[in-house]
Amino acid sequence: DQQVKQNSPSLSVQEGRISILNCDYTNSMFDYFLWYKKYPAEGPTFLISISSIKDKNEDGRFTVFLNKSAKHLSLHIVPSQPGDSAVYFCAVSSGGGADGLTFGKGTHLIIQP
Amino acid sequence: DTAVSQTPKYLVTQMGNDKSIKCEQNLGHDTMYWYKQDSKKFLKIMFSYNNKELIINETVPNRFSPKSPDKAHLNLHINSLELGDSAVYFCASSPTGGPEETQYFGPGTRLLVL
Repeated sequence: DQQVKQNSPSLSVQEGRISILNCDYTNSMFDYFLWYKKYPAEGPTFLISISSIKDKNEDGRFTVFLNKSAKHLSLHIVPSQPGDSAVYFCAVSSGGGADGLTFGKGTHLIIQP
Repeated sequence: DTAVSQTPKYLVTQMGNDKSIKCEQNLGHDTMYWYKQDSKKFLKIMFSYNNKELIINETVPNRFSPKSPDKAHLNLHINSLELGDSAVYFCASSPTGGPEETQYFGPGTRLLVL
């Protein structure tokens, strides 16, 4: 039973356009949300996060939006660049961070020139 | 200067063998983790260690045992390897294990059991 769902296994976007990656979660007790980026044969690297007390967090080209009532978050990348091609994982933390993170299955983003 | 490192990067072994994967972090973090990414690409927490104490164990078989000789290291020992243990294993660390901390991941160890 997946607690974090990324329903799009892959997404193809033209360079320079906006990439929107989506994530849904089931437990309203989750209170901290993160996006990780992963290149082949490497470990996930932290990209951006958001606390449940906020609905938006921005860092350069990356913006994460949180809709608590819908239990939905999204990652916007604008403008998309070739180096953004990677697998993006949505992850959630519930209360104690030492419990680890619960990850979605990932979305493979492909930026086309 | 790698923050979280794992050795070996690749590990091919026979069923029934015992193997270890090493993890080291030079970030001065108190909490370390092991995750498993299976063939379906799900990343799942296996263990976390905080100051040498096991915090959680997510229904992992007792053939898997984490061992932490010091705060900077969390090694994973696997006894009697089975085909289903084939996966990518990631080590991670975070400053104190707090709920709003970033976890930093190692590059992964690709384990193939034949």
